[in-house]
Amino acid sequence: QQQVKQSPQSLIVQKGGIPIINCAYENTAFDYFPWYQQFPGKGPALLIAIRPDVSEKKEGRFTISFNKSAKQFSLHIMDSQPGDSATYFCAASAQGGKLIFGQGTELSVKP
Amino acid sequence: NAGVMQNPRHLVRRRGQEARLRCSPMKGHSHVYWYRQLPEEGLKFMVYLQKENIIDESGMPKERFSAEFPKEGPSILRIQQVVRGDSAAYFCASSPVLDYGYTFGSGTRLTVV
Repeated sequence: QQQVKQSPQSLIVQKGGIPIINCAYENTAFDYFPWYQQFPGKGPALLIAIRPDVSEKKEGRFTISFNKSAKQFSLHIMDSQPGDSATYFCAASAQGGKLIFGQGTELSVKP
Repeated sequence: NAGVMQNPRHLVRRRGQEARLRCSPMKGHSHVYWYRQLPEEGLKFMVYLQKENIIDESGMPKERFSAEFPKEGPSILRIQQVVRGDSAAYFCASSPVLDYGYTFGSGTRLTVV
C-alpha cells in the first residue's frame, strides 16, 4: 500500500514532443504528489507538485494531471528539449516527512 | 545561500570497514532526511531527523546503520561493517519546517570493495 508505481521505465521523444509519465498509488492517505528531475551525478530537484484538491497544475512547460478517483497522476512536458533529458521520479507523501518514490523514468529527448 | 552540502562525494570502503556520511543542511533548516538510491532504482527513505531527535527511522536497516543530527554540526549517517550490498548513492535533504518540498544534496556515492 506504500508503493508508487511509475511507467514507463524509459522514454524517447523527438524535440518538441510531449513526453507523458504516469504514476499510480494505493494509499488514500497520500496528500502530496511531487515530481523530481535528476541529472546523472546530481541529487533530485523538485520540479512541480500537486495536492489532491486540484486536478491540474502548470508551471512553465511542466504540467501535472491528477485523477483522485483513479489514484493516478501524470507529468506532461510541453515542447520538450534535449536539455530535459534526465530521470524523472514521481513521489507521494502523507502528512509531511517521508516521501515514497516511484522507480523513475529515463527520458531522452532527441534533437 | 549554499544548498545542502554532502561529503564526501565519493567514498570507497573495504568490506568490514565503517562509512561515515556527512550532511550539512541549508542555513535555517532544522529537518534532515536521508535516502538511499541503489543502481537503476528509485530513492528509498531511510530516516528523518530534527536537531538532536530521530523522528522516523522506519526505513533504516535494523543493524549496522545509525544516524544523528546533533545540536551543532552536520547530520551523520554511519554504516558499520559495510558489505557489498551497501554500495549505493546516499542522499540527504533538508527543510526549514515539516514540509514537503525539501531540497536534496548531490549525494555521497559509496562503493564497497
